[in-house]
Amino acid sequence: AQTVTQSQPEMSVQEAETVTLSCTYDTSESDYYLFWYKQPPSRQMILVIRQEAYKQQNATENRFSVNFQKAAKSFSLKISDSQLGDAAMYFCAYTLGNTGNQFYFGTGTSLTVIP
Amino acid sequence: GAGVSQSPRYKVAKRGQDVALRCDPISGHVSLFWYQQALGQGPEFLTYFQNEAQLDKSGLPSDRFFAERPEGSVSTLKIQRTQQEDSAVYLCASSAGNLYSGYTFGSGTRLTVV
Repeated sequence: AQTVTQSQPEMSVQEAETVTLSCTYDTSESDYYLFWYKQPPSRQMILVIRQEAYKQQNATENRFSVNFQKAAKSFSLKISDSQLGDAAMYFCAYTLGNTGNQFYFGTGTSLTVIP
Repeated sequence: GAGVSQSPRYKVAKRGQDVALRCDPISGHVSLFWYQQALGQGPEFLTYFQNEAQLDKSGLPSDRFFAERPEGSVSTLKIQRTQQEDSAVYLCASSAGNLYSGYTFGSGTRLTVV
């Protein structure tokens, strides 16, 4: 079974501070891609960052970076210099590289940014 | 269009009623996906189209759920004889075909069955 676990239902961070959201996943496949999506109240899922499993270097997109630990099947998201606009639900997801036609999502982490 | 458009944004249906949810993907996107997101949960896969061909419908929860994309662009998700457990946000997403690029999601239809 393909599963994604986000153990933090809710997180909060002070504006301008750093926060890390955790994610673990379980797949027996070796070829897959990992993603973090943001879902604001508008409900539209917005891609935050992505990582190919075969790449050892952690992906970075401006204030967003990941800590990818393949052996541990861990894929955490770090948000630096948090802004009020970062407040949203964050979902970790992956898709399989060879047969991938669907994403497997976690249950999400609700991030609150405190001014 | 510039994004994935879904309509209606909200739908209230009486139990037993049939509903149809529409998705208008980004022009030229060959792949189209439907997901169901229950309250407090992550999206769960329902079905996948490549052009007009429905290549995977393994996520459809029952035979009351039916999806089509007859001309390879607009898609409709139909739910017959709605039940309360069908209440959820239904998200549509499209992709140019490269999964690594991720999907572009619409804003979903929130279905409430009363």
